[in-house]
Formats: sequence, structure tokens, C-alpha cells
Amino acid sequence: GESVGLHLPTLSVQEGDNSIINCAYSNSASDYFIWYKQESGKGPQFIIDIRSNMDKRQGQRVTVLLNKTVKHLSLQIAATQPGDSAVYFCADRLTGFQKLVFGTGTRLLVSP
Amino acid sequence: NAGVMQNPRHLVRRRGQEARLRCSPMKGHSHVYWYRQLPEEGLKFMVYLQKENIIDESGMPKERFSAEFPKEGPSILRIQQVVRGDSAAYFCASSPPSKGETQYFGPGTRLLVL
Repeated sequence: GESVGLHLPTLSVQEGDNSIINCAYSNSASDYFIWYKQESGKGPQFIIDIRSNMDKRQGQRVTVLLNKTVKHLSLQIAATQPGDSAVYFCADRLTGFQKLVFGTGTRLLVSP
Repeated sequence: NAGVMQNPRHLVRRRGQEARLRCSPMKGHSHVYWYRQLPEEGLKFMVYLQKENIIDESGMPKERFSAEFPKEGPSILRIQQVVRGDSAAYFCASSPPSKGETQYFGPGTRLLVL
């Protein structure tokens, strides 16, 4: 299902810390999950994706974890940098469909 | 390889006018998607098109909104008789012909209706 946005939840971290951003999805028929980073005034930028037949996937400094039992997705960013400051969105896609369903988003603030 | 291109980046219209938003997909991509984003919210799906075909328009308002992706040229999202509530950022994404591929987004068009 879709989330209705209120005030964006915010995660504040220090440079060099690890960040964990969480996301809940509602539809158990979703088979594909993706994280995007959106900086102010820009379009969403692909970070990492994962399919439902996996529970973990790693990229450069980022890891996505998928827990299908509780319909939970998380994005871990290692050694967070000021350039990581942005709003992060998770999205999922129902099996057989192409459209993405976006979550509300989390604002990540990284202080030097 | 150029990314998804959208123009104009900013568009100001008065109530009752028409807005035309254009999207050129990445090279080699034949699937185009339009999403709308209100401030402090996630993106909401509007429509999914392939060349000359609308595949899924379940997120499109029933009136005033239309989309096309002709054989030649960019995809167009058209909003007729705009109202203040249409003010938003409109993003286009594209993906390759294979099903299930990642969608890559353009920079968006910010529409302001006065």
C-alpha cells in the first residue's frame, strides 16, 4: 500500500558513523525492492535494489536487508559522509506490475 | 550515455492554462513512467507507457490528465485546465525493454500553478 506523507522522519548522524534507515512495506505480493536517494531539487537517484528471493545485498558502502516475514526493508550506509545527506525513499513493486510504490521517505542529516 | 531528460525544469502556469511536460528516456530504454511528488512526500505513480501504448494508467486522474509516448520523440504528460492542486514536481523514469528492470529517474519538472 502507499504511505501518506506527514513530516519526514529525520535521522541525524555524525560523519563516519554507520546509518540505518528503515522502511516497512504493506504488500506481501511485492517481489522487488529498491532504495533511492533524493537531494533537494533533484530527481531520485538509484542506490541499490533487491529481489524477494534474497535477504541481503551489498553495494559500495551500502547494504540492503529484506525481512519478508515482517515486511521490513533497511538500508545501511557505512562510514556516512556529508555528501550522503539527502532524503532516502524505499519503493516496492508488486509481482506482475511495473509501477513502484514509494514509502514516505527519511531525511538523513550528516554533520561533520 | 545521457540520463533521462526532462523539460522544462520549471513551469509556471495560471489556472485554466495547459501544461505540457516532456521526457526523453535513456538511450535504449523503451519504457517510460510518470510520477508526481508533493512536498515532503514520496512519489506517486501516475502512468506507465511503452512506445505508442499506455500499459498502466491506474494512477492518472480521470479528467484533465493525459500521457503519450509516440513512436518518435519524447513522452508527453499533458495537464489541461490546470488548478492550484496540480502544483507539484513531476518525475519521469525509464527502464530497458526487459520486464522487471530498474527505473532511472530524470531531474523532474516543477509545476507551479498561480
